Amino acid sequence: KQEVTQIPAALSVPEGENLVLNCSFTDSAIYNLQWFRQDPGKGLTSLLLIQSSQREQTSGRLNASLDKSSGRSTLYIAASQPGDSATYLCATFTNAGKSTFGDGTTLTVKP
Amino acid sequence: GAVVSQHPSRVICKSGTSVKIECRSLDFQATTMFWYRQFPKQSLMLMATSNEGSKATYEQGVEKDKFLINHASLTLSTLTVTSAHPEDSSFYICSATKAGVYNEQFFGPGTRLTVL
Repeated sequence: KQEVTQIPAALSVPEGENLVLNCSFTDSAIYNLQWFRQDPGKGLTSLLLIQSSQREQTSGRLNASLDKSSGRSTLYIAASQPGDSATYLCATFTNAGKSTFGDGTTLTVKP
Repeated sequence: GAVVSQHPSRVICKSGTSVKIECRSLDFQATTMFWYRQFPKQSLMLMATSNEGSKATYEQGVEKDKFLINHASLTLSTLTVTSAHPEDSSFYICSATKAGVYNEQFFGPGTRLTVL
């Protein structure tokens, strides 16, 4: 059974800092991995999707990497802003669409 | 685009009543839709996978007679919480994949259910 772990559970940084969120998974037989953002009481916003054959994806200030063999993914956020404050979720997906979500990292960026 | 909507966004009901939540893919056909539940300060848990025109596949521990799922068309899936109890209060989120492609799931905005 797939297990997804996100570390740290919470993170508080001053504005402008670069930061890394970590995600690890136990079963490397994934189809893809996605990073999401969730604001309090809201649904999910997809940030980056990495196919199992890819090693990284970039979108603006965000960069996500994937190392399937070691079961790890990282989300790098450059030059953090208060608007980046949210919970970031990592999820793995099988080719049948079955997902396993981590518990998330709650990020607070202080002005 | 790939937009998924849910209705209602928020519902409050009395214990023992049934509540229906709709999930719609607005600009694409979705042969597969997924239903998730998220309790406060917890992550999403997959409840069931819904395929158009066939019975839903439920995850272990999810009561299929309590959470009725209907996927009658390529753009609509419904989740009915029957005889709701306070412990069913949760945030319910659906997602959909484009027909024939499991590459990416597009998530709805969620429905907050509160059972009094």
